Amino acid sequence: SQKIEQNSEALNIQEGKTATLTCNYTNYSPAYLQWYRQDPGRGPVFLLLIRENEKEKRKERLKVTFDTTLKQSLFHITASQPADSATYLCAPSETGGFKTIFGAGTRLFVKA
Amino acid sequence: NAGVMQNPRHLVRRRGQEARLRCSPMKGHSHVYWYRQLPEEGLKFMVYLQKENIIDESGMPKERFSAEFPKEGPSILRIQQVVRGDSAAYFCASSWDREFYGYTFGSGTRLTVV
Repeated sequence: SQKIEQNSEALNIQEGKTATLTCNYTNYSPAYLQWYRQDPGRGPVFLLLIRENEKEKRKERLKVTFDTTLKQSLFHITASQPADSATYLCAPSETGGFKTIFGAGTRLFVKA
Repeated sequence: NAGVMQNPRHLVRRRGQEARLRCSPMKGHSHVYWYRQLPEEGLKFMVYLQKENIIDESGMPKERFSAEFPKEGPSILRIQQVVRGDSAAYFCASSWDREFYGYTFGSGTRLTVV
C-alpha cells in the first residue's frame, strides 16, 4: 500500500540555522508533492507545490526538492526563526490533486 | 476573500445523535475534500466532491457517514448515530478546478462525542 514517511521525531534547531525535513514515499508515483504547515488547533496552510518534472522550487526562505528516483522530497527553511515552529506535512498527490495522501508530519522547534 | 469557511468550530454530540458539519469552499473553487484528523495523527482522506457529484468516497466509512455538495449552498458532512470513536477534527479543503495549486483548508470542526 502507499506509504508516506516523515521524520517521526521532533526536530530542534537553533534560530538562524537551516532546518531540513525529509519525506519519503513508497508504492506511489505522485505527479505533485505539496508541503503544508499546521499549528496546534488550526487547519493546514499550503506552503509549496513541486511537480514531478521539477527538481527544486523556492519561495522566500523555503526550498523544496523532489527526487522521483529516490522517491524523496526535502524541505528546507533557511535562517529559521522561532515563528517557524510548527508541524510540517508532506503530501504527495496524483495529477489534478486527486488522491492526496498526507504524512503524519514533523514537528519543528526553533529555539531563540 | 473569506477563504474556506467551516462551521461550527466546535460541536458536542451525545452518542446516538447526528452531527452535521458544513463547509463553504473558497470563492472560485469547485472541488471540495473532507479529511479527518485524530489527536497526534495525520490527516486521513474521507471524500472528494464537486458540485452535485461525489468523485471519490473511498476514505469514508460505509455506514453512518455521508457527504454532499449541492448546487446551491455549502458542502455537508453528515454523521449519523455518532459514537465516541467519531471524536476528531474534521477539515474541509477546496481547490481550483482549472489547474491544481494545492489545497486551501478551513479551520476545522472539532467534534466531541460524549
